[in-house]
Amino acid sequence: GENVEQHPSTLSVQEGDSAVIKCTYSDSASNYFPWYKQELGKGPQLIIDIRSNVGEKKDQRIAVTLNKTAKHFSLHITETQPEDSAVYFCAASKGSQGNLIFGKGTKLSVKP
Amino acid sequence: NAGVTQTPKFRILKIGQSMTLQCTQDMNHNYMYWYRQDPGMGLKLIYYSVGAGITDKGEVPNGYNVSRSTTEDFPLRLELAAPSQTSVYFCASSGWEAYGYTFGSGTRLTVV
Repeated sequence: GENVEQHPSTLSVQEGDSAVIKCTYSDSASNYFPWYKQELGKGPQLIIDIRSNVGEKKDQRIAVTLNKTAKHFSLHITETQPEDSAVYFCAASKGSQGNLIFGKGTKLSVKP
Repeated sequence: NAGVTQTPKFRILKIGQSMTLQCTQDMNHNYMYWYRQDPGMGLKLIYYSVGAGITDKGEVPNGYNVSRSTTEDFPLRLELAAPSQTSVYFCASSGWEAYGYTFGSGTRLTVV
């Protein structure tokens, strides 16, 4: 089955710097790749997603890139702010079954 | 719009006790899921449902049961609680296959 690896497990940056989180997946049939943000004591919230027919997607300070050949995708956060501090999860699915396989998460800390 | 509502938020169970975690969504979503989250392990799928009357096992179904009698409700049943079931449980729903999951705020369960 699908396996999603996520790195790093923890990331600390200074406010205003950029942060990059990387994920790799094993199943070449996967075609949907969302990213979730989980704040302390809350459920994960979808922040951006990308489908396999697109190489890059951007929404204000966040962007996701996908390399289907290498089977990896990345989350980029620019101009980080303290409120970006949270745990971020990547996930992958084949869409038709509707089951997301999640990475183990990255705890991002943005220091003021 | 409440989204996905989970109850209770916290619960302590003794080994061998039973309980039901409740999940209700008001978005008329067909797809519903139960995940468990253990520290550093990401989210693991327990059970899912693609519509009322249809359920199927995920990655880690042992020790759990579900039912889906209505579109809105997807309760998760623990029959004989074990310490290994200590975790945070999240319910999620989506209207179109794997896309755009909405998560509840979680139930923190401790089995002692």
